[in-house]
Amino acid sequence: GQSLEQPSEVTAVEGAIVQINCTYQTSGFYGLSWYQQHDGGAPTFLSYNALDGLEETGRFSSFLSRSDSYGYLLLQELQMKDSASYFCAVVSSGGYQKVTFGTGTKLQVIP
Amino acid sequence: DGGITQSPKYLFRKEGQNVTLSCEQNLNHDAMYWYRQDPGQGLRLIYYSQIVNDFQKGDIAEGYSVSREKKESFPLTVTSAQKNPTAFYLCASTAASGAYEQYFGPGTRLTVT
Repeated sequence: GQSLEQPSEVTAVEGAIVQINCTYQTSGFYGLSWYQQHDGGAPTFLSYNALDGLEETGRFSSFLSRSDSYGYLLLQELQMKDSASYFCAVVSSGGYQKVTFGTGTKLQVIP
Repeated sequence: DGGITQSPKYLFRKEGQNVTLSCEQNLNHDAMYWYRQDPGQGLRLIYYSQIVNDFQKGDIAEGYSVSREKKESFPLTVTSAQKNPTAFYLCASTAASGAYEQYFGPGTRLTVT
């Protein structure tokens, strides 16, 4: 089966940088996605890594190391609106491209 | 604008009643999914469908049923057999080639008392 681990909560200061880690165990690994979810809202896609290395999209970057079964989401120049839950999700084979979500990291940005 | 709609946003039912949650998309996506989210938890897959008239059980399908008669629509029925149905239900869709990027509807919060 698949399992993912990420910290349950992280607090960071506005304007700072924060890294949210995700370790996973899976078979048939395709890649790692990241989603943002504000309280009461729907998850929105942030990034996807299929290959090792860093992918940058504006203030957000995502990193993957397939050999270490590890990835992280890096948020720079934190803004208050970045306060949300962040989920990593493993995409793996299983008859179709199965997506398994982690339990999420609640990020609180403080002034 | 393309997107996914779910209705209603809030739903209240008495224990023992079946209830159907609506999910419609106009993204022309082939695959559609239903997830359940409980407080402080990730998303757990209930059912998914890759094409019309075909669907598969996810990790927690017991007590749920679905249909996929049209490409645009994927309704979920929460039956009285579901032991703990109170949760936030999210519908998602993806293009055929990209399960890694899921588009979500706004969700339906179901409360059963």
